[in-house]
Amino acid sequence: GAVVSQHPSRVICKSGTSVKIECRSLDFQATTMFWYRQFPKKSLMLMATSNEGSKATYEQGVEKDKFLINHASLTLSTLTVTSAHPEDSSFYICSAIVGSSYNEQFFGPGTRLTVL
Amino acid sequence: AQTVTQSQPEMSVQEAETVTLSCTYDTSESNYYLFWYKQPPSRQMILVIRQEAYKQQNATENRFSVNFQKAAKSFSLKISDSQLGDTAMYFCASDSGNTPLVFGKGTRLSVIA
Repeated sequence: GAVVSQHPSRVICKSGTSVKIECRSLDFQATTMFWYRQFPKKSLMLMATSNEGSKATYEQGVEKDKFLINHASLTLSTLTVTSAHPEDSSFYICSAIVGSSYNEQFFGPGTRLTVL
Repeated sequence: AQTVTQSQPEMSVQEAETVTLSCTYDTSESNYYLFWYKQPPSRQMILVIRQEAYKQQNATENRFSVNFQKAAKSFSLKISDSQLGDTAMYFCASDSGNTPLVFGKGTRLSVIA
C-alpha cells in the first residue's frame, strides 16, 4: 500500500511553454502533498506544501506564479511550470502523507524535466 | 528551525563489510523524528529506517541500524554486510511531526565488489 505515482516520468519541452506534472496517491487519500526539486547530485529542496482544497504554501524563494500547484482532489496534486526556461530543467519529486502524520511520507518516482 | 548535516559527501565500502554514515541535526522541538532515506540510481526515494526521538532504543531494520545519540544530536546509519544493491545516495532527514522533512545534503555510497 501507500503508493504514489507521477506522470510523466520524463518530459522535454521548448522554452516558453508550460508543463504540467501530476502526482497521484493510488491507494490512499492524501490531504497533504509536497513538491520537491532536486538538482544533479544535490539534496531535495522543498518547493511547496500542497493542501487539498486550499492554496499551496510556498517556500521562500519559490515563485508561486512560476510554479502553479493545484490540489483539487484527495488523490491528485499537479505542478505546472509556466513559461518554462532552461534553468527550470530539473528533477521534480512529489510526496504524500497519510492523514496528518508528517513523519510518514511516501514519495513518487519523480519527473525529469528538460527545457530546450 | 531544523537543520541536518551530513559531513561525508562520498564513501565507499567493500562488499560484505560494514559502513557507517554520519548525520548530525539541530532542532528546538522536544519531539521529533529522524529518518534515513536511500535514493538509488532510479532516483526513487526509499525509507530505510525511522527513529522517534522519545524512544531510547536504537531502531533496526535487518542489516540497517542507527546509533542515536540524543544529547549529541547525532544519528548515524550502520549498514552491515554491505551489498552491491546498497549503492545509492543516502539522505538523513528530520521532522517534528507536523512540519515538512528537512534533508541533509546526502552521502553517496559506493559498494565495491
